[in-house]
Order: sequence, then structure tokens, then C-alpha cells
Amino acid sequence: GDSVTQMEGPVTLSEEAFLTINCTYTATGYPSLFWYVQYPGEGLQLLLKATKADDKGSNKGFEATYRKETTSFHLEKGSVQVSDSAVYFCALSDLLGRDDKIIFGKGTRLHILP
Amino acid sequence: AAGVIQSPRHLIKEKRETATLKCYPIPRHDTVYWYQQGPGQDPQFLISFYEKMQSDKGSIPDRFSAQQFSDYHSELNMSSLELGDSALYFCASSLDSNEQFFGPGTRLTVL
Repeated sequence: GDSVTQMEGPVTLSEEAFLTINCTYTATGYPSLFWYVQYPGEGLQLLLKATKADDKGSNKGFEATYRKETTSFHLEKGSVQVSDSAVYFCALSDLLGRDDKIIFGKGTRLHILP
Repeated sequence: AAGVIQSPRHLIKEKRETATLKCYPIPRHDTVYWYQQGPGQDPQFLISFYEKMQSDKGSIPDRFSAQQFSDYHSELNMSSLELGDSALYFCASSLDSNEQFFGPGTRLTVL
């Protein structure tokens, strides 16, 4: 079945450092790809998404590009802030194939030190 | 803009009791999804409804049941609660199976 693999955490960085969280996926169809963020004690928020190959999703300084050839959707940010500390989930959903449940990766906890 | 509403936000139950979680989707959304997130885990899909009919089923225990009502709100009923049912339960809604919008979750604690 479809699955998502993302780098294990926790990831600890200093403020203003460059961030990369790797994510690869396995899918039988042509999925849409997402990054969700979960701040401590809160629910899931959609951070960004991409629905087709070479699409770049971006939001709040975060970016991720849908790479079909490498089945990847790595999350990047050029300069992280303490407020970015959270758990980040890479996810996919086969919207076109009507298998619209979201499959999440295990999550990567990010700690940003001031 | 209106968001997905879940109630209650927090619930504490004893083992073997029952619990009912409610989800009110964004107005005009026709599909509701339920996910369970155990402590330190990723969310796992439980069940979904489209136009009041069950559309997909995931790893939902037989002790759990759910339905979607005529006003599109959904309820997740959990019986014979076990310690392992302690989790954050998310509801999400969508229109025509497009982007899912998540509610804030209900945190269930089973003692």
C-alpha cells in the first residue's frame, strides 16, 4: 500500500539555521503531497501542498517540491525561528483515485534553539 | 471562515465505559474523516463518510462505530474503552474529496 517515510527526529537547530526534513513516498497512483505541522498541544495545520510533479508548495518561508522521479517531497526553510518548533508530518492522499484518506509519515520533531 | 468543530475538546473516561465524540464539518462540506493519533504517533485513518454513507474504513476497532447524520455532522461512538484508546481524535472535512480541513481534535483519556 501507499506509504510515507520521513527522517526521524528530533532535529535540533539554532535559530536562523537552514532546515531540511527529508520525505519520500510510495504510491500506486498519482498522489497529492502535503506537509502538516502540529504545534505543542494543538491540532494539525496544513503547512503546504503540491498536487502534481514539479509543483512547489510554499508557506511561511517553508518550501517543498514534488519530485516524481525521486518520489520525494523534502521540506526546506532558509532561516528557522524558535516559533517553528513543532512536529512536522509529511503526508499523501490519492485524491484523483478517490482514495482520499490521508496517509501520514511518522513525524519529525523540530527544536529550534534561540 | 468557519472551521471544523469538535466536541468535547477533552474527555476523561474509565475503562469499559463508552464515549461519543462529535464532529461538525465546515458548512457545505460533504465528506467527514476520523483519525486517531496515539501519544507520540502519527495520525491513523479510522473511517470516512460521504453524503451520509460510509465511504472508506481503516484500522477502526469493532468496538468503535460512527455515522454521519442528515445535517452532515458525524459522531464516533466508542464502547468498552481500553487504556490504549487514549489518544487525540481528529475529524476532518472536505468538499468533493478535495483538501481536508482538520478540527482541533478531542483528547480522550481512559483511566
